[in-house]
Amino acid sequence: GAGVSQSPSNKVTEKGKDVELRCDPISGHTALYWYRQSLGQGLEFLIYFQGNSAPDKSGLPSDRFSAERTGGSVSTLTIQRTQQEDSAVYLCASSPRVPRDTQYFGPGTRLTVL
Amino acid sequence: SQQGEEDPQALSIQEGENATMNCSYKTSINNLQWYRQNSGRGLVHLILIRSNEREKHSGRLRVTLDTSKKSSSLLITASRAADTASYFCATDYGGATNKLIFGTGTLLAVQP
Repeated sequence: GAGVSQSPSNKVTEKGKDVELRCDPISGHTALYWYRQSLGQGLEFLIYFQGNSAPDKSGLPSDRFSAERTGGSVSTLTIQRTQQEDSAVYLCASSPRVPRDTQYFGPGTRLTVL
Repeated sequence: SQQGEEDPQALSIQEGENATMNCSYKTSINNLQWYRQNSGRGLVHLILIRSNEREKHSGRLRVTLDTSKKSSSLLITASRAADTASYFCATDYGGATNKLIFGTGTLLAVQP
């Protein structure tokens, strides 16, 4: 079956612009995660969605970052007023209700802020 | 930071040799997982070992977990050039989210 898909695969933007990154999880998966991988920070958790529960936003690095998940499926990560330190690969993962502990990752979006 | 540490940071071996990577973490876990990443993009799940397990096998992969030492190792036997990649351990501390805390990664190069 189809895996997790992300778009765009690459995004180049200018400092100060807003960007939206999209994630399509595996159909039927109830949990969705965003992670960021950057040279200085390694792989770090950003945000988690599970069904209709309030998201866990504890990993978002600043209030310029936000995410939503519409209809319990597609998710969009928005970064406002991008900064050069936002340059990274943004990875999305989803997991089924049972077992919940295995996450399936998408190919990522490489964001470059000039 | 709860981030785990992995060693070595980089490992270069010849095809056919075994590769061992180690991971240490900081607090009690629900499970520990190993992922592979090619060319800095998507992560591929390799194996999951739960806190009550000590060893697990999957094909040429063998994972051990020592909760008393808060450490895990990944052994790849009879390595192939296609195993060249970065390998990450990730710890799941449980709780409501099952979010993963990743280690620093080991870059494995298998020379043909």
